[in-house]
This record gives sequence, C-alpha cells and structure tokens, in this order.
Amino acid sequence: EADIYQTPRYLVIGTGKKITLECSQTMGHDKMYWYQQDPGMELHLIHYSYGVNSTEKGDLSSESTVSRIRTEHFPLTLESARPSHTSQYLCASSPRDRVDQPQHFGDGTRLSIL
Amino acid sequence: DAKTTQPNSMESNEEEPVHLPCNHSTISGTDYIHWYRQLPSQGPEYVIHGLTSNVNNRMASLAIAEDRKSSTLILHRATLRDAAVYYCILRSSGGSNYKLTFGKGTLLTVNP
Repeated sequence: EADIYQTPRYLVIGTGKKITLECSQTMGHDKMYWYQQDPGMELHLIHYSYGVNSTEKGDLSSESTVSRIRTEHFPLTLESARPSHTSQYLCASSPRDRVDQPQHFGDGTRLSIL
Repeated sequence: DAKTTQPNSMESNEEEPVHLPCNHSTISGTDYIHWYRQLPSQGPEYVIHGLTSNVNNRMASLAIAEDRKSSTLILHRATLRDAAVYYCILRSSGGSNYKLTFGKGTLLTVNP
C-alpha cells in the first residue's frame, strides 16, 4: 500500500491569503510531483522534484511554488490566493523515474478561493 | 509523446467482465503502457503496466496487441467499487519520462 498523505483534504479560503498545501510520504521515495486537476478535466503536472533541494516546473504554468527540504515532505505554497487558483491539487511520488515504475498518489486537496 | 485514444464512457453490469480498450497507433518500441484509475474524490491509483507481453495482477489483466498499437484492460468481475475513470498512458524511456500525461480517460459505470 502506498503511504502518501495530503492535508487538508478540503480548503475554502478568501482571496489574498497565503496557503500551504502539505504532502508527505513515508516510502523514502526520491521523486515527488504535484498535479493540478479541474473538475472533470485532465491532470496536469505543475511541479516535480528529483530529491532534496531539487525542484522543477512542470508542463502547466502555475503561480505556486514548492520546496523540498526533506525527502518525505513536498509542500506547495500560494503566496496570495486568487479565485483562478480554485482546483484540485494532487501529490504523487515514485522511487525512481524508470518508465516501468508507477507513481503513487495522495487523495488530493480540493481548494476553493472565494 | 505518443498519444492514446479511449472511449469517453462504458457501462458494465456487476460481476461481469469488462474490457476497456485503448488505441496507441504511434507507440514506439520502448514505450510502456500504463493503466491508472481514479475513483470519485480520490487520487489516481496505479492498476497495471506492460511492454509487449500480456500481464496479470490482482487487480486486472492487460492484453497487448501483437503490433502494440492497441491494448485492453480487463477487469474479470466488475464490482461497484470498480466504477472510476480509467486512464491509458504511454511512458517513454527517453526525454520526459518523469511525468505521466493523462488524457480524459474512460468513465466506467457499473450497474448493480
């Protein structure tokens, strides 16, 4: 069983607030990812990390930032939330980037900005 | 990246087999075929993957055509808990192999 946790599951917050979405995994995986998914739509990669102190932007441009200070922790931050940031954010991890290795996903954070 | 084509939706009855098709006519020789599913209000869940040979695991079977231009995910006995969006994804050994490129997938409805 994959052990990857996201908190909070749901967040409703006003415009202009600073938000941090938490993602933690207990599997010791080096690779971690953030995807964004609007309702009924496809997932898009917005950030990824190959390991501690490594972060890269994904395919979909995002105003969010990420950090990777510890292997198990990959938080995503929005400095000033806007209604356009309303979406579901999904975190994933994998032990390595070999194409035969699956990614393990958390259950996501549903973010609503009023 | 090679693309996949899946039906938008399919229906099945409980306890019957389900065959979910995927076309990938531009697949390259080193592309792995992965299947994930996403249950309502959850993140995607890995189901199975293969390269050339058919594969079986506790969740499903993957049948890959001899020319690899199509594949079929087989759920042997559908349950209500199998109702989900099923994604067929190609992962290339070169270039951008770090990411999963999700399409719209197939929405599977299971009738009791």
